[in-house]
This record gives sequence, structure tokens and C-alpha cells, in this order.
Amino acid sequence: EIVLTQSPDTLSLSPGERATLSCRASQTISGRYLAWYLQKPGQPPRLLIYGASSRATGIPDRFSVSGSGTDFTLTISRLQPEDFAVYYCQQYGRSPYTFGQGTKLEIK
Amino acid sequence: QVLLEQSGAEVKKPGASVKVSCKASGYTFTNYDINWVRQAPGQGLEWVGWMNPISGDTAYAQKFQGRVTVSMNTSIRTAYMEMTSLRSDDTAMYYCVRGGVWFGEPLPLDPWGQGTLVTVSS
Repeated sequence: EIVLTQSPDTLSLSPGERATLSCRASQTISGRYLAWYLQKPGQPPRLLIYGASSRATGIPDRFSVSGSGTDFTLTISRLQPEDFAVYYCQQYGRSPYTFGQGTKLEIK
Repeated sequence: QVLLEQSGAEVKKPGASVKVSCKASGYTFTNYDINWVRQAPGQGLEWVGWMNPISGDTAYAQKFQGRVTVSMNTSIRTAYMEMTSLRSDDTAMYYCVRGGVWFGEPLPLDPWGQGTLVTVSS
């Protein structure tokens, strides 16, 4: 199975700053079938970005992704208060559809 | 509006079984797979398995093989996840979530059900 490792585990930033979250895969993810999800306390995860930088419905353009193969990055250009949450990457190109362990983005 | 509505919380004793349901609305049920993902308290997301409503094909994460069964009743647009031989470490929120393949392209998981809390305790 493809193992996904996210870094850092916790990221402490202030509103207005830029956030960079990393997701590294143990094998090449074909077709860039990597997705990012956001989860707030007490809520189910929500799809953020998938495939080649496609944002899900309603996701603002301050969220972007880059990378290919085994290394992917989620960038949030100007943090808003509602962006502080836990972020997960997931590969959905090959079963089992594994998740990273998550990065908690907290207010500094 | 695409919606996945899950059954209510369950409390089970170790060794028992649980069956969680997930009713879909707002889309053509047979066009998409249903996946199941769980999340232990304070932990990350763990993919459990999926089922295709047309072919009946299923796939499970290795650690759940033989203990989890995903099924569907397409006539009532409902998917089920049954887990047997429950242990305390199966205590988690269980989510159903839509996925599948569209014109040959794998789809991300979206949307998610609200979750069903399964508590295993003696």
C-alpha cells in the first residue's frame, strides 16, 4: 500500500500569513490522484482540492497545490480564521486509498 | 443537493457485531461507489473499504479483511458496513463517503456522511 507522510504534524501561524503543508508518498501517485481534506472539530472531513489542483466547490483560490510523483504541497496564501483546522492528504488512485496522518494548523 | 445520511450512534460489547447504514440522496446512486472511513477519538482518518453498486465489487483495507462487510440495497439507495468481533480499539466515528470512477478517472471522496459513532465497551 502507498504510505503518505505529512509534515509538519503541527503548524502554528497567524492570520494573514502563508501556510505550506507537505505530503510525501512512499510510491509515485499516478495521475496525480491526490486529494486534500480539511476537518474542523466535531465535523466530518470536507474535500478541499483534488487531482491537478482542482478546487472543490466553494473553495477559495487562496488554496493551491503543487508537486507530482511522490511530493505534494498544499499552500494557503493568506490565512483566514476559518482555515485553522486539521488537513489530510489522501491518494485515491490505487486501493487501499490511504490517508496521511494529518497536519494541525493552529493559531499562533 | 447530494446527501449521505447515516444511522445513529451504537454502543456494543466486545465480541459483538455492528451494522451501520448510509442512505444516499440527490444523485444517481448506481453511478458512484460508497467508501467507508473511520476515525478513532483524537486520531486520523483510516480507509476501511468500498463497494461498487453495479458490479458488486468490494475492496477492504488489509487489517479489516474477514471482519468487515460492505453491502448495498440499490432499490432504497442505502449502503451498509458491518463489522464483527468488535474490540475496544474499534471505537470510532465511522463515515460513509461517495467515490468511484467517472469516465475512467478516479474520483476523490466527496461528500461525507455526518458519521456514526460506534462505541465498544464492556
